[in-house]
Amino acid sequence: DSGVTQTPKHLITATGQRVTLRCSPRSGDLSVYWYQQSLDQGLQFLIQYYNGEERAKGNILERFSAQQFPDLHSELNLSSLELGDSALYFCASSVRGSGEKLFFGSGTQLSVL
Amino acid sequence: GQQVMQIPQYQHVQEGEDFTTYCNSSTTLSNIQWYKQRPGGHPVFLIQLVKSGEVKKQKRLTFQFGEAKKNSSLHITATQTTDVGTYFCAGLRASGGSYIPTFGRGTSLIVHP
Repeated sequence: DSGVTQTPKHLITATGQRVTLRCSPRSGDLSVYWYQQSLDQGLQFLIQYYNGEERAKGNILERFSAQQFPDLHSELNLSSLELGDSALYFCASSVRGSGEKLFFGSGTQLSVL
Repeated sequence: GQQVMQIPQYQHVQEGEDFTTYCNSSTTLSNIQWYKQRPGGHPVFLIQLVKSGEVKKQKRLTFQFGEAKKNSSLHITATQTTDVGTYFCAGLRASGGSYIPTFGRGTSLIVHP
């Protein structure tokens, strides 16, 4: 158990819908990262937050957004969903947010039908 | 942008044989990390290499960082069925003041008993 909690574990929805994925980092970790894992693209970095502020952005679509709350949990919002958004979404956390090892949650498997 | 290429994509071995996966970057890396993801699981941090030419060992696993800090390898001696999984390298890439792990596509290791 990495100490990073992600909910829900599975999500099935339809095209055009909006979903929210939730992540609670390890106790004491200030930074949260979101990654998307698909068969054809591997593990793609989406976005990073540190202590409530956006710190780095990767290949995140405009239809996707995220935030980190004062209690340090984070939410990833995916809207206007398309079939190609079906993937495993991982949240990871680290203490300081730069150059450290990441602790991954168990992921949310999103299926867009 | 920085790309991290990893080969081979898949490797089948008989239990007891050795295994090596290679990671190459188009640019010089500050650090490189290695993770293991078991089937159905999440990536788990194995090690981080920082220095040019660095070699680190963890039991049967040997990790190397190239002299130019553009390549790395993971070698497993005498594979066991417990070694099954996908091994990812992640080069640390500067983004917005943070160093973010950029993952290769991974090498899936299949060990036949």
